[in-house]
Amino acid sequence: DAGVIQSPRHEVTEMGQEVTLRCKPISGHDYLFWYRQTMMRGLELLIYFNNNVPIDDSGMPEDRFSAKMPNASFSTLKIQPSEPRDSAVYFCASSLPRQGNTEAFFGQGTRLTVV
Amino acid sequence: KDQVFQPSTVASSEGAVVEIFCNHSVSNAYNFFWYLHFPGCAPRLLVKGSKPSQQGRYNMTYERFSSSLLILQVREADAAVYYCAVCTLSGGATNKLIFGTGTLLAVQP
Repeated sequence: DAGVIQSPRHEVTEMGQEVTLRCKPISGHDYLFWYRQTMMRGLELLIYFNNNVPIDDSGMPEDRFSAKMPNASFSTLKIQPSEPRDSAVYFCASSLPRQGNTEAFFGQGTRLTVV
Repeated sequence: KDQVFQPSTVASSEGAVVEIFCNHSVSNAYNFFWYLHFPGCAPRLLVKGSKPSQQGRYNMTYERFSSSLLILQVREADAAVYYCAVCTLSGGATNKLIFGTGTLLAVQP
């Protein structure tokens, strides 16, 4: 398996523009997580899905952030409009918990820079 | 509030044993996870569990609210960010990982 695949690897955009980050989880995994990594807060959980259904979006910082999972093999995280403070590395991860032993497999991340 | 705490930096010398401590205030937490992250790469799991465990040079201690990652025979190549995480049940059924802010390990030759 190729692992969790994220695109793009890097994104530079101007403030006010819409940004869409993409993720393909590991085939067969039924949980998908979106994390944001910053120096101050480490890895923050933004939202996660189980069987394509959003379970907990309490980590989504503002209404400008939205996430979808239209099918088991694809998810998007959208920021509209983007702001400079959104600059961070965004990670997608997937897992297949069994007997409470959750291991999340991460993608390589998307480095977002909003100027 | 559900939080995981770990030091921001730890320094060590080559060949030494380094310990990175982690504790949490997460309700309904079970299992600790220790991840290694090199910038530009995907974080990867080193060791996990709800009891002391070992994977190669990586040892994990376990208490209900705390865990330590011990790295044996530290090398310069081990310089990276180490994340501690705990797993918690959300809504009674689902599982999510809550991460700490990460510990940057600096290794002196």
